[in-house]
Amino acid sequence: DAKTTQPTSMDCAEGRAANLPCNHSTISGNEYVYWYRQIHSQGPQYIIHGLKNNETNEMASLIITEDRKSSTLILPHATLRDTAVYYCIVRVNTNAGKSTFGDGTTLTVKP
Amino acid sequence: DAGITQSPRYKITETGRQVTLMCHQTWSHSYMFWYRQDLGHGLRLIYYSAAADITDKGEVPDGYVVSRSKTENFPLTLESATRSQTSVYFCASRDTGQNTEAFFGQGTRLTVV
Repeated sequence: DAKTTQPTSMDCAEGRAANLPCNHSTISGNEYVYWYRQIHSQGPQYIIHGLKNNETNEMASLIITEDRKSSTLILPHATLRDTAVYYCIVRVNTNAGKSTFGDGTTLTVKP
Repeated sequence: DAGITQSPRYKITETGRQVTLMCHQTWSHSYMFWYRQDLGHGLRLIYYSAAADITDKGEVPDGYVVSRSKTENFPLTLESATRSQTSVYFCASRDTGQNTEAFFGQGTRLTVV
């Protein structure tokens, strides 16, 4: 599975959009981009994933560049409860697809 | 209750002791995973399993043993615990096929003294 690079930390004002970048320059054609978050010390929680098209669900939007070497997770209206560590991972869906997590981005939403 | 559960939630053990962390899922997911998370760091994969009786090593398997005799259970055993294995351990499961996300348990906080 391809490696990812994320900023260590980011701040965002409450009510504003939070844009979390992820670099995955070695991604293969059959690897998906997945985002998870971990609030405090709980188990990670799935947010969204995509292959090459932009995706949106009730939690977030995922923008993947045309060359697929990077992506951005967008939380449109961040709340204090969105303060968490956000992990970007890439994996294939067709085999064990073991997910390798980096250190993620610590997002702090401030009032 | 449906879901993935880990037990115990907290465990303190002595160096050299054997300890087993339990993981149980009710979805009949094929894939199960064990991760460890050291303070202030991300998750590192210890072992994973694609089905009953099929297991494979992850990034940091040394000092750990797993088994999967039943689809729903994936216990992790520390054969002789060391202080460096003090960590939070997370179990996860996911189904086969495309577009499948992993579901994580609440974690087991293990302290080796």
